[in-house]
Amino acid sequence: NAGVTQTPKFRVLKTGQSMTLLCAQDMNHEYMYWYRQDPGMGLRLIHYSVGEGTTAKGEVPDGYNVSRLKKQNFLLGLESAAPSQTSVYFCASSLIGLAGVNEQFFGPGTRLTVL
Amino acid sequence: GENVEQHPSTLSVQEGDSAVIKCTYSDSASNYFPWYKQELGKRPQLIIDIRSNVGEKKDQRIAVTLNKTAKHFSLHITETQPEDSAVYFCAARGGYQKVTFGTGTKLQVIP
Repeated sequence: NAGVTQTPKFRVLKTGQSMTLLCAQDMNHEYMYWYRQDPGMGLRLIHYSVGEGTTAKGEVPDGYNVSRLKKQNFLLGLESAAPSQTSVYFCASSLIGLAGVNEQFFGPGTRLTVL
Repeated sequence: GENVEQHPSTLSVQEGDSAVIKCTYSDSASNYFPWYKQELGKRPQLIIDIRSNVGEKKDQRIAVTLNKTAKHFSLHITETQPEDSAVYFCAARGGYQKVTFGTGTKLQVIP
């Protein structure tokens, strides 16, 4: 099992450009999440999905869109990148296991720089 | 929405001493509280978790306590070792499987 993978690992954009980050998991997990990590601010939830075809907003959704057309994939889109979106982006997936345990498995991260 | 506060932001301890990290949460409906460890340049990984119907859980040198009434939970690491140096995050799961993280604690264990 590859677990959770993210594509690309690094990317540099110019202000106004668009891009899509891909997250894939092979663990048949129902739930998938996108976080951004900035120094001193921890992991902030952008969007998440509780199943194929469903998405919901997190703490910091503005400037991002997501889609979950297939259970194993969760895409994060930036339509018009801004320097404030420079960050490390982590995808995570989970399922509700026994006794309600919800361990999130994280991808390796994508380092995005917007100039 | 849920708000999770974590303290301290940095913590230095001598090898062999104990380390304690504290978190508070705001949503009384939150029912699951995981702790993650993130080493430099790597992804966060779960180290221990606790459900709201349990007051304490221990796994070797790591323990977590939960006080539902006060809405706070803590991570305790005993007999710290240099390999414990990392950033630790607490989190709380509320409604709709939404997980909110604290801002992290950078732990440095001095040999």
